[in-house]
Amino acid sequence: AQTVTQSQPEMSVQEAETVTLSCTYDTSESDYYLFWYKQPPSRQMILVIRQEAYKQQNATENRFSVNFQKAAKSFSLKISDSQLGDAAMYFCAYRSALGGSQGNLIFGKGTKLSVKP
Amino acid sequence: EAEVAQSPRYKITEKSQAVAFWCDPISGHATLYWYRQILGQGPELLVQFQDESVVDDSQLPKDRFSAERLKGVDSTLKIQPAELGDSAMYLCASSRTGTSGRVGEQFFGPGTRLTVL
Repeated sequence: AQTVTQSQPEMSVQEAETVTLSCTYDTSESDYYLFWYKQPPSRQMILVIRQEAYKQQNATENRFSVNFQKAAKSFSLKISDSQLGDAAMYFCAYRSALGGSQGNLIFGKGTKLSVKP
Repeated sequence: EAEVAQSPRYKITEKSQAVAFWCDPISGHATLYWYRQILGQGPELLVQFQDESVVDDSQLPKDRFSAERLKGVDSTLKIQPAELGDSAMYLCASSRTGTSGRVGEQFFGPGTRLTVL
């Protein structure tokens, strides 16, 4: 079974600075997707960034980028120029590329990010 | 912008009572998921539907939980009887399914926060 581990329960960053959230995963599959989701307090979960395992190039979305190390099964999220609105729970998630029941997301326990003004 | 709708947003009930949650996915999304998120943890899948059929309910406590999606559109999750340990956020998500069987990005609703007293 696949597992996702986030070893940082809480992180803090100064506004305008850069922070990196860590995530490792375990799988025997070769084709899969990895995601970072953001869950602000009392608000719905939204997708921040996704990475296809077959792509060597790291995904980037504006101030958000990932460092995907497939051999090491590591998938970290870097947030540049942190803003107050980035404060939230961040979840790393895995999903098999297969269809059917493999399509559901497997989440880590999350990292609570605080942004200091 | 289309969103996943859930109701109620909050529910307080006493143990042994019955509760029901409703989810209306984004139009055209054939795949619907119910997740349970215990405070401080990541969401865990309870049940996955493809149209009106259950694809995966292996983590659904079937002695007290039931889920249906009769017309392949909206869905209801029921708990009877509720127990103290059921206190959690119940999230609904939906996604498109391609002709190849691969599922697309999951979009989450705002969730229903259940408190069992």
